[in-house]
Amino acid sequence: ETGVTQSPTHLIKTRGQQVTLRCSSQSGHNTVSWYQQALGQGPQFIFQYYREEENGRGNFPPRFSGLQFPNYSSELNVNALELDDSALYLCASSRDVEYEQYFGPGTRLTVT
Amino acid sequence: RKEVEQDPGPFNVPEGATVAFNCTYSNSASQSFFWYRQDCRKEPKLLMSVYSSGNEDGRFTAQLNRASQYISLLIRDSKLSDSSTYLCVSPRGKLIFGQGTELSVKP
Repeated sequence: ETGVTQSPTHLIKTRGQQVTLRCSSQSGHNTVSWYQQALGQGPQFIFQYYREEENGRGNFPPRFSGLQFPNYSSELNVNALELDDSALYLCASSRDVEYEQYFGPGTRLTVT
Repeated sequence: RKEVEQDPGPFNVPEGATVAFNCTYSNSASQSFFWYRQDCRKEPKLLMSVYSSGNEDGRFTAQLNRASQYISLLIRDSKLSDSSTYLCVSPRGKLIFGQGTELSVKP
């Protein structure tokens, strides 16, 4: 077990709704990264938070937003859900920006 | 060209076989790499880090060839439990994943 937890494990939403996914980082880690993984693909980087500040963003539209809290847990928010947002959303934490990242079990989002 | 590319496989090998995967990368500034494995519908798990020319951990050996810009992963004496998808990753803050190589080890 990595010590990284995510909630919820599964979620079903309809197109146009908004969703918030949560991640608790491993103890001692100050960096959290979020990834989207569609079926049959490798994870795609959404953004990274380091000490409560966004530290890099992938090729995702602004309706994907996030937060990191003082305890280094994090949220991913997605507005105006689209069918293509259906995917496994992975959170990974690391003890600093350039170190190995350890993944949580993911949240499987289905948009209908 | 993708920043990290892998042969998607699948590689089907018998137990006890030796199997090697290659991964090519395009950014010559990349200094280190990771190999993760990802079982079906689970999260990626860190397998090995490669910070210099190579790294060995039991049956697993990873090598980095900077001149040719590729990383390899060698698995000796394959076990059934090695069946998984192996992801080559370039860490530059964010992790750039290859699409993964599927390995199936058969009895």
